[in-house]
Amino acid sequence: DAGVTQSPTHLIKTRGQQVTLRCSPKSGHDTVSWYQQALGQGPQFIFQYYEEEERQRGNFPDRFSGHQYPNYSSELNVNALLLGDSALYLCASRRTGAGTEAFFGQGTRLTVV
Amino acid sequence: GIQVEQSPPDLILQEGANSTLRCNFSDSVNNLQWFHQNPWGQLINLFYIPSGTKQNGRLSATTVATERYSLLYISSSQTTDSGVYFCAVGPNFGNEKLTFGTGTRLTIIP
Repeated sequence: DAGVTQSPTHLIKTRGQQVTLRCSPKSGHDTVSWYQQALGQGPQFIFQYYEEEERQRGNFPDRFSGHQYPNYSSELNVNALLLGDSALYLCASRRTGAGTEAFFGQGTRLTVV
Repeated sequence: GIQVEQSPPDLILQEGANSTLRCNFSDSVNNLQWFHQNPWGQLINLFYIPSGTKQNGRLSATTVATERYSLLYISSSQTTDSGVYFCAVGPNFGNEKLTFGTGTRLTIIP
């Protein structure tokens, strides 16, 4: 059973560019969430997708957007990259419903130069 | 929003020692998970434990939901236990966002 998979694993972008990160959820999971983890900190919630719609959003600007496809895979898009967007981006999946266990992918390490 | 505090922030132990990591949270939860983050950044699931006690080998965890804390116990530490341990909580029914603590960095010395 494949777990949560993310691509790419590493990425270097220039300030002002746009980036797309991808996530395939664990088999049987239909809810995908994205988190940003800055160096030395805990992951921070960006947003969550279920049934191809954004259901919850954390305190992130509109430069951060996402998408979920009918097969439950998801993308995170970041426009107009800033140096401060450099971080580890983690995708988590779970079965929908309160109190279900979340599983994380290995992350995409984004460096903005 | 809910606040999550972990202690201690750093812990350095000799191989073979036991340790206790604590997670305090500020509101009722319906989800609490413990993770170990490896050096490559992957979050490894240790326990899903919104209440009660669970054990898995040398690791065990207890959550006392009424008193809003959880404990992670590691016995007979090994160098492979080194890394950062995170507690994450999901506060309300239907609110599935996880709020993470700042983590405990555990270093096991041979």
